[in-house]
Amino acid sequence: NAGVTQTPKFQVLKTGQSMTLQCAQDMNHEYMSWYRQDPGMGLRLIHYSVGAGITDQGEVPNGYNVSRSTTEDFPLRLLSAAPSQTSVYFCASSPQQGKDHEQYFGPGTRLTVT
Amino acid sequence: GNSVTQMEGPVTLSEEAFLTINCTYTATGYPSLFWYVQYPGEGLQLLLKATKADDKGSNKGFEATYRKETTSFHLEKGSVQVSDSAVYFCALRSGFQKLVFGTGTRLLVSP
Repeated sequence: NAGVTQTPKFQVLKTGQSMTLQCAQDMNHEYMSWYRQDPGMGLRLIHYSVGAGITDQGEVPNGYNVSRSTTEDFPLRLLSAAPSQTSVYFCASSPQQGKDHEQYFGPGTRLTVT
Repeated sequence: GNSVTQMEGPVTLSEEAFLTINCTYTATGYPSLFWYVQYPGEGLQLLLKATKADDKGSNKGFEATYRKETTSFHLEKGSVQVSDSAVYFCALRSGFQKLVFGTGTRLLVSP
């Protein structure tokens, strides 16, 4: 199993550009989520999904969209990039949403918005 | 709401020293508790977990005990190595709610 994969690894955008961060998992996990990691702030949840066709907002959803058309894929779209979205983005998955389930993380995408 | 508080870093130790990284939490219900580790340039990996009070999670020489009475889940290792240098995150998950992370503690181990 490849686990959770993310592309690209690095990306530089200009303010106002849009792009999609890709995330895929091959573990047949129902629950997937996107986090951003900023210095001194830990990881903050952007959006999550409990299954194909179902998504919901986390604590910092503004400026981001998601969709979940298949169990495997959970792309994150930046609609109009802003310098405040410069961060490292992690995708994660777990078998289900319940409290005992650990999350498996991808390697991350480092995004810089100039 | 749920929250996790970790000691601020960096924690700087010499090889073979004893490590403690403090973690306390606030949560409704009976959460599961986790320690994740992030090596430079990588994503987070689960280090250990405990799903109920008095459980001890352990892995790679690291241990943490779920203490409900003190709402704590401190990470310990008896003898650290240079390869343990990383950022350590304490986290909790309660019911069907989202995983909540602490801010992370950087550990630097010198030879």
